[in-house]
Amino acid sequence: GENVEQHPSTLSVQEGDSAVIKCTYSDSASNYFPWYKQELGKRPQLIIDIRSNVGEKKDQRIAVTLNKTAKHFSLHITETQPEDSAVYFCAAVAGGSQGNLIFGKGTKLSVKP
Amino acid sequence: GAVVSQHPSRVICKSGTSVKIECRSLDFQATTMFWYRQFPKKSLMLMATSNEGSKATYEQGVEKDKFLINHASLTLSTLTVTSAHPEDSSFYICSAGTSGNSYEQYFGPGTRLTVT
Repeated sequence: GENVEQHPSTLSVQEGDSAVIKCTYSDSASNYFPWYKQELGKRPQLIIDIRSNVGEKKDQRIAVTLNKTAKHFSLHITETQPEDSAVYFCAAVAGGSQGNLIFGKGTKLSVKP
Repeated sequence: GAVVSQHPSRVICKSGTSVKIECRSLDFQATTMFWYRQFPKKSLMLMATSNEGSKATYEQGVEKDKFLINHASLTLSTLTVTSAHPEDSSFYICSAGTSGNSYEQYFGPGTRLTVT
């Protein structure tokens, strides 16, 4: 089955710096890779996603890159702000499933003012 | 759009009792709903996938007789934790997927279950 690895588990950056979180997946049939932001005690919020037919997608300060050959994808946040502090999860759809998401273990991002 | 509600938000129950958690898609029809469990400071673990009008598909290691899932309509799925024990205490989150080729899932706010 699908296995998603996420690194780092914690990340601390200074306000205004960039943050990069990386994930790898095992199932070459996976074709959808979302990123979620979860604040303490709240629901995960979809912040950006990418499908396997594109290599990069950008939405303002957030971008995601996908390398299907290497089976890894990354989240890039530029000009970080204190409100970006949260736990970020990557996920991949298990191949052949109904859309079952397999999540990485999460990255706790702290942005220091 | 794509709002998912969950009820209750918090529940405390005694060991041996059962608890039902409801998940509703408010402004769209959800062909598929997913149930996750999340331990403190941990990731989301998929428990089961439910489709309207059919039996749920459980992930390996999840007891289907303990975690009863019913997807009675395109906007409602329920999770019943039967004969709850303290180790069942957790944060349970549902998500709903829209129909078609989109894999996007929208999450409910979660239910904090505490079994005493």
